[in-house]
Amino acid sequence: GNSVTQMEGPVTLSEEAFLTINCTYTATGYPSLFWYVQYPGEGLQLLLKATKADDKGSNKGFEATYRKETTSFHLEKGSVQVSDSAVYFCALIEQGGSEKLVFGKGTKLTVNP
Amino acid sequence: SAVISQKPSRDICQRGTSLTIQCQVDSQVTMMFWYRQQPGQSLTLIATANQGSEATYESGFVIDKFPISRPNLTFSTLTVSNMSPEDSSIYLCSVALPDQPQHFGDGTRLSIL
Repeated sequence: GNSVTQMEGPVTLSEEAFLTINCTYTATGYPSLFWYVQYPGEGLQLLLKATKADDKGSNKGFEATYRKETTSFHLEKGSVQVSDSAVYFCALIEQGGSEKLVFGKGTKLTVNP
Repeated sequence: SAVISQKPSRDICQRGTSLTIQCQVDSQVTMMFWYRQQPGQSLTLIATANQGSEATYESGFVIDKFPISRPNLTFSTLTVSNMSPEDSSIYLCSVALPDQPQHFGDGTRLSIL
């Protein structure tokens, strides 16, 4: 079945550090890939998405590239801020499927001033 | 996009009681989803609720424990029945709009004593 494997957390960085959160997936066909973010005490918000190979999703300085050859969708940001502290979830929807999201376990990021 | 309102935002309940969570959307949607997020964990899909049909439950979730209603295209409820401490979680609803990623409500934080 479909699955998403995320880098184990928690991750603690200093402000302005470079961020990478690894995400790999297992799926049939060509799934759509997503990063969602959950700020403390809130629901999930879509951060970025990519729907086909080599697509790059970007938002708020975050980027992720859909790599079919390595089945990966790693999240990166060049310079994190304290306000980026949150839990980040990688997720997929299988191609032509039921719109059901499959989530990774989440990675908690803490950015210190 | 869609604006999703969940009620209540949080509750503390006694063991053995039931709680109904409401999810209201500001536009008509065909597919609505209910997720559970146990403490420190990722999101797990409970069921898919389409208007005019019975909800479709995922493995490990049953209608007697989590009855769902979907009376129209803008509203759904999830009931957590005969609650035990293991049901303490965040419960989230989401909606799927055409050609858009799922949008989530802010969740209902439920604690069982």
